Amino acid sequence: LAKTTQPISMDSYEGQEVNITCSHNNIATNDYITWYQQFPSQGPRFIIQGYKTKVTNEVASLFIPADRKSSTLSLPRVSLSDTAVYYCLVGDGSNTGKLIFGQGTTLQVKP
Amino acid sequence: DAEITQSPRHKITETGRQVTLACHQTWNHNNMFWYRQDLGHGLRLIHYSYGVQDTNKGEVSDGYSVSRSNTEDLPLTLESAASSQTSVYFCASSESRGVREKLFFGSGTQLSVL
Repeated sequence: LAKTTQPISMDSYEGQEVNITCSHNNIATNDYITWYQQFPSQGPRFIIQGYKTKVTNEVASLFIPADRKSSTLSLPRVSLSDTAVYYCLVGDGSNTGKLIFGQGTTLQVKP
Repeated sequence: DAEITQSPRHKITETGRQVTLACHQTWNHNNMFWYRQDLGHGLRLIHYSYGVQDTNKGEVSDGYSVSRSNTEDLPLTLESAASSQTSVYFCASSESRGVREKLFFGSGTQLSVL
């Protein structure tokens, strides 16, 4: 069963770049890596997904090394509104598409 | 716009009572999921469904049941509510089944069992 490991919490200041690394040593060959963001009192929201190398969208970048055993979510120039919990997900290895969430990383952005 | 809605937003019940949480999506998605969220545990999968009449157990399914009679709805029933089931419950749906699956979540139901 593929499992992810992330830091429980991180602090940053407005305007800084934040990098959150996720470990997924047992990722399956066909699994993608997906990140979700969750604000208080809301459900998680998809932010980015990738398979290898680098993916960038209007919200974040995702860096995946060749061995795919880890990935790094990069948030450029964070603001107070980026304070949230960030979840890294991979499939459960069964190719059923069932996604398993870990505890996530609580990012606190300070002024 | 398509959306996924949960009701009620807040519910207080007593131990031993049967409780049903509603989830309705207008995305026309085949896949629907129920998660619970507790401090220290993140989101844990309770039950999921890949289509009408299909239901499957997740990692914490004991004490819960679901039924899928149409595409839009996946109600979650607590047969006999226990204090350990006090939690925030999230429903989600997705279009396709596979490794690139993207989940769309509702706003959650805060359930308190006294």
